[in-house]
Amino acid sequence: QVQLVESGGGVVQPGRSLRLSCAASGFTFSSYGMHWVRQAPGKGLEWVAVIWYDGSNKYYADSVKGRFTISRDNSKNTLYLQMNSLRAEDTAVYYCARDLTPGATITGGVFLYWGQGTLVTVSS
Amino acid sequence: AIRMTQSPSSFSASTGDRVTITCRASQGISSYLAWYQQKPGKAPKLLIYAASTLQSGVPSRFSGSGSGTDFTLTISCLQSEDFATYYCQQYYSYPRSFGGGTKVEIK
Repeated sequence: QVQLVESGGGVVQPGRSLRLSCAASGFTFSSYGMHWVRQAPGKGLEWVAVIWYDGSNKYYADSVKGRFTISRDNSKNTLYLQMNSLRAEDTAVYYCARDLTPGATITGGVFLYWGQGTLVTVSS
Repeated sequence: AIRMTQSPSSFSASTGDRVTITCRASQGISSYLAWYQQKPGKAPKLLIYAASTLQSGVPSRFSGSGSGTDFTLTISCLQSEDFATYYCQQYYSYPRSFGGGTKVEIK
C-alpha cells in the first residue's frame, strides 16, 4: 500500500533553516510528481511546491519562492523540502502528497495520497 | 496566480439534506478542478477530480459539476460522516491553489 511519511518538523527560530523529508513506499516513486502542501493552525490548505517525477522542473508558491527548495532522491524514494529564512507565517503542518497519475507534469496536482503531516513551528 | 473562492465559508445542515458548495476561479481553468474533504487532525481526502470524476471508493452521493470558472460540489443526502471541511483546488496552472474551505456543521 502507498505510504508517505514526513519527518523533520519541529520548533525553529525565525531566520533559521529546517529540512523536511518524506519517505515514500508502496509505489514506483520515480514515476510520480511530488508536492508539498501546508496548513497553518486553524487555516486552510496552501500549496507550497512541486517537483516533477524526473526532477526536471520545480515550481513554488510565491510565498516561499527564493527561500524554500524542493528536491528528490529517486534512489532513496525520498522527497525533501529545504526551508531557509523561516518566518512566523511559515508555521504550519507540512504534508507531502503524490500526484494521482504517473508521469503527470504540467497537469499534475491532483493529490490522492497524502502523508500524515509534520508540524513546523517558527517562534523565538 | 489563480484565486479560488468558495462559498459559503461555513453552514449548518441536517443529516439527509442536499447540500451544494460553490467554487469560483478568478480565471478559466477548463475542468482542472479537484475537491477534497478534510476532517480535524487528518490529511485531506480526494473526492472528485476533473471537475466531475468521482474518485474510486467515494460514495455516489458526492458529485461535482462545472467548467471554466464556476464549479459546484453536491452531496445528495448528507450523512453523519460527511460533516467536515471541503476544499476545491485548481490544477490548471502553477502555482496550484486551493479555495478557502467550506465547513459543514451539524444543525
